[in-house]
Amino acid sequence: EIVLTQSPATLSLSPGERATLSCRASQTVSSYLAWYQQKPGQAPRLLIHDASNRATGIPARFSGSGSGTDFTLTISSLEPEDFAIYYCQHRSNWPLTFGGGTKVEIK
Amino acid sequence: QVQLVESGGGVVQPGRSLRLSCAASGFTFSTYALHWVRQPPGKGLEWVAIMFSDGNNRYYADSVKGRFTVSRDNSKNTLYLQMNSLRAEDTAVYYCARSMIYSDSSPAFYFDVWGQGTLVTVSS
Repeated sequence: EIVLTQSPATLSLSPGERATLSCRASQTVSSYLAWYQQKPGQAPRLLIHDASNRATGIPARFSGSGSGTDFTLTISSLEPEDFAIYYCQHRSNWPLTFGGGTKVEIK
Repeated sequence: QVQLVESGGGVVQPGRSLRLSCAASGFTFSTYALHWVRQPPGKGLEWVAIMFSDGNNRYYADSVKGRFTVSRDNSKNTLYLQMNSLRAEDTAVYYCARSMIYSDSSPAFYFDVWGQGTLVTVSS
């Protein structure tokens, strides 16, 4: 099973600041990695797939990069609605797994 | 609009069974693989199972293999999860999620549509 480790666990930032979230895989997942956003009481929402492709309707301030074992989700300028928990997920093999999440909170 | 609606959650005693349903609408159900993903209260996400569009192939997480069975009825646009021998650690919100499809119609195994979830509590 591929283990995804996200860091930091919590990121405290102000609106307008840049957020950089990391996801590291225990073995290569090529570019088969996605990012999701989850707000309290809601289901997750797909943001990025295949490491760097924005899903339909996702604003351009969200971008993804990386390949192999190291991946980054960047939010270029935080909007109030971006404060949430972010998860990475791979689809390289079975079972599919998620990272433990990074909480982006208001500083 | 594209929608997934789960039902069937509730409180159940350890060792008992429960069946969840996921009703789909707004898209061609038979074309898509579908997943169950769960989230224990206050914790992260765990993929549980996938049912491929052909209705024959499926995979499970090790934590539920042999106890849970995923199935689908394409005539009813519904996905199911039969959960047997339930344990306290199965307590979670269970989401039904659609598997994304690439432009060439191949499955992508990312989750592009989610239901609102149904809570399963295993407790005596």
